[in-house]
Amino acid sequence: SQQGEEDPQALSIQEGENATMNCSYKTSINNLQWYRQNSGRGLVHLILIRSNEREKHSGRLRVTLDTSKKSSSLLITASRAADTASYFCATDFYQGGSEKLVFGKGTKLTVNP
Amino acid sequence: DTEVTQTPKHLVMGMTNKKSLKCEQHMGHRAMYWYKQKAKKPPELMFVYSYEKLSINESVPSRFSPECPNSSLLNLHLHALQPEDSALYLCASSQERSGGSRQPQHFGDGTRLSIL
Repeated sequence: SQQGEEDPQALSIQEGENATMNCSYKTSINNLQWYRQNSGRGLVHLILIRSNEREKHSGRLRVTLDTSKKSSSLLITASRAADTASYFCATDFYQGGSEKLVFGKGTKLTVNP
Repeated sequence: DTEVTQTPKHLVMGMTNKKSLKCEQHMGHRAMYWYKQKAKKPPELMFVYSYEKLSINESVPSRFSPECPNSSLLNLHLHALQPEDSALYLCASSQERSGGSRQPQHFGDGTRLSIL
C-alpha cells in the first residue's frame, strides 16, 4: 500500500503547548503535503514540502522531511483550541497523466482550553 | 466559506434510487477529483478529471458514474447503491502543474450520504 502512517493516531494537549505529528510513507515521493480537516468539513491545505527540502515554515507550522527515513513531521507551536482537527499527510503520485494524492491515516488533535 | 461548493450537504436515499452529487468551482482549476471518506478514515480517491476528461478511475464500482459537463462542474451520479456506500463524498480541484510544481488541492465540505 502507498498509504502513509501517522502517529500518534490521537493527541490531546493543553492550549499553548506544542503538538508534533509524524508521518511515514513507503515509496519515493515528489512532494509531501499536510492537510487539516475540521469535524464535518472538507480538507484544508496547510503546507507542501518538496522532496529536495528538509524543513519548511508557515506561521505556527513547521514541517520537516527526511527522505532517507521516509518520514515527515508537522509541528504546531503555541497551539490554540481552534487547532482542534484531524491532520493528514499526503503523498502524490503520477498516474494516467494526472497526479493523485494518497492520504495517511491521520492524527486527531484535541487542544483543550 | 470554501471555494469549492458541493450540493446537497446531506442526502438520504434508498438502494433503488437514482441521485446526483454536484460540485462547482470558479477558480479556473482544470483538475477535479472525487473522494470517498468513511468515518475516522482518510479520504480515498475515486476519480480524477483533467481538462474535462476522465484520467483516473480507481476501480470504482459502476454504480458510481462521474461526469464533467464543463471545466467548472463535476457530477457524481449514483444508482443502486449499497449500505456500505454511506460516507462523506468530497470534491476537490487543483491547478495543473505550474512549471513542474505540484499544486495543492482545494476541497469542498462534502456531501454526507446515507443509504437506507
